[in-house]
Amino acid sequence: RKEVEQDPGPFNVPEGATVAFNCTYSNSASQSFFWYRQDCRKEPKLLMSVYSSGNEDGRFTAQLNRASQYISLLIRDSKLSDSATYLCVAHSGGYQKVTFGTGTKLQVIP
Amino acid sequence: SQTIHQWPATLVQPVGSPLSLECTVEGTSNPNLYWYRQAAGRGLQLLFYSVGIGQISSEVPQNLSASRPQDRQFILSSKKLLLSDSGFYLCACIRSTYEQYFGPGTRLTVT
Repeated sequence: RKEVEQDPGPFNVPEGATVAFNCTYSNSASQSFFWYRQDCRKEPKLLMSVYSSGNEDGRFTAQLNRASQYISLLIRDSKLSDSATYLCVAHSGGYQKVTFGTGTKLQVIP
Repeated sequence: SQTIHQWPATLVQPVGSPLSLECTVEGTSNPNLYWYRQAAGRGLQLLFYSVGIGQISSEVPQNLSASRPQDRQFILSSKKLLLSDSGFYLCACIRSTYEQYFGPGTRLTVT
């Protein structure tokens, strides 16, 4: 079983739709979680951290469910510019223990 | 805030040739640095990690090596490239709160 698993997609959604991605992690010692966005042939860029209480940044909401060991990302009012691959990341202690998921591809359609 | 530079941006090398990719970091001192590889259509694979000059941890045994000759310089090398070394090589640093920041990457094609 992979340490961090994501549905690869693609998720094809119309503009203005709400879309949600889940990411499961297997290491219960994981402490810090993040969502990154990666555009085609570009480097990943930090989208947002995921806090235990959940957090929101504009149209983006991230949540953590420790009991079920998953994190989620909700995107409201999707824009064409949201089309990208979204990577989830789990840290399980120490700067070396970082695991990336393989990403979920989102395509927002006009 | 830190800025990560990588070069070259793209590289085409024949099998068996050597490799040297450089990463430099600005805007921070004594950074923890990472080398990742992303093969086509796949996730990020951690290759090397460094906490300081001369300190390298290897995550995956392979024909690649890394060196940290200066505080803000991280180099990825190979003596003889394999076809399987093709991929997108990314250098990253990390904050104390575990957010990682990536350089623009080097796209390597081994032919």
